[in-house]
Amino acid sequence: QVQLVESGGGVVQPGRSLRLYCAASGFTFSSYGIHWVRQAPGKGLEWVALISYDGSNKYYADSVKGRFTISRDNSKNTLYLQMNSLRAEDTAVYYCAKEGLYDSSALDYWGQGTLVTVSS
Amino acid sequence: QSVLTQPPSASGTPGQRVTISCSGSTSNIGSNTVNWYQQLPGTAPKLLIYSTNQRPSGVPDRFSGSKSGTSASLAISGLQSEDEADYYCAAWDDSLNGRKVFGGGTKLTVL
Repeated sequence: QVQLVESGGGVVQPGRSLRLYCAASGFTFSSYGIHWVRQAPGKGLEWVALISYDGSNKYYADSVKGRFTISRDNSKNTLYLQMNSLRAEDTAVYYCAKEGLYDSSALDYWGQGTLVTVSS
Repeated sequence: QSVLTQPPSASGTPGQRVTISCSGSTSNIGSNTVNWYQQLPGTAPKLLIYSTNQRPSGVPDRFSGSKSGTSASLAISGLQSEDEADYYCAAWDDSLNGRKVFGGGTKLTVL
């Protein structure tokens, strides 16, 4: 069965960096684009970034452009999110989610999320 | 401020039909498919509708999606208590080099 497991979250001071991981299993990882989506406490969903199946195309939300970098290692079935210059407003649960088979814009499987707290 | 606009709340009684609207623009809903997600308290979102009106395997046919121009709707018929959740619409947006956009979410209460 498809599984996406995020890790790497924690408490970090403003201005510091953190790297998130998303370990995938149960599907051909190298065939699908993968997204990061975040949800601040008590708030709605906010799209963060997308990387294409082969890593050749990357898209970012304006709120993280220039600070966050999405990448993947298809040999390890792992997705990454390098987060630099973190701000208090980056505090959120971060989910990785897989593109759908029949509709690439749909996110058909999600991980359980990892919490990032940016605080001094 | 979300790119897609949803009502913050909706409600209905068991057995009723409720609809949730999602308003966008020509760069997102007007030119791309719409997805809907259900998020139960304390859990990750779940895909409810893809390609505007298609249900993934396992999603009851009580849930249906539609689109007209730059607006979309999610309809839930035969409302059940377990449908109480947050619902989000989403679409790809062709502006600003491409991005995915979500609605602000609608909290559905089953009275």
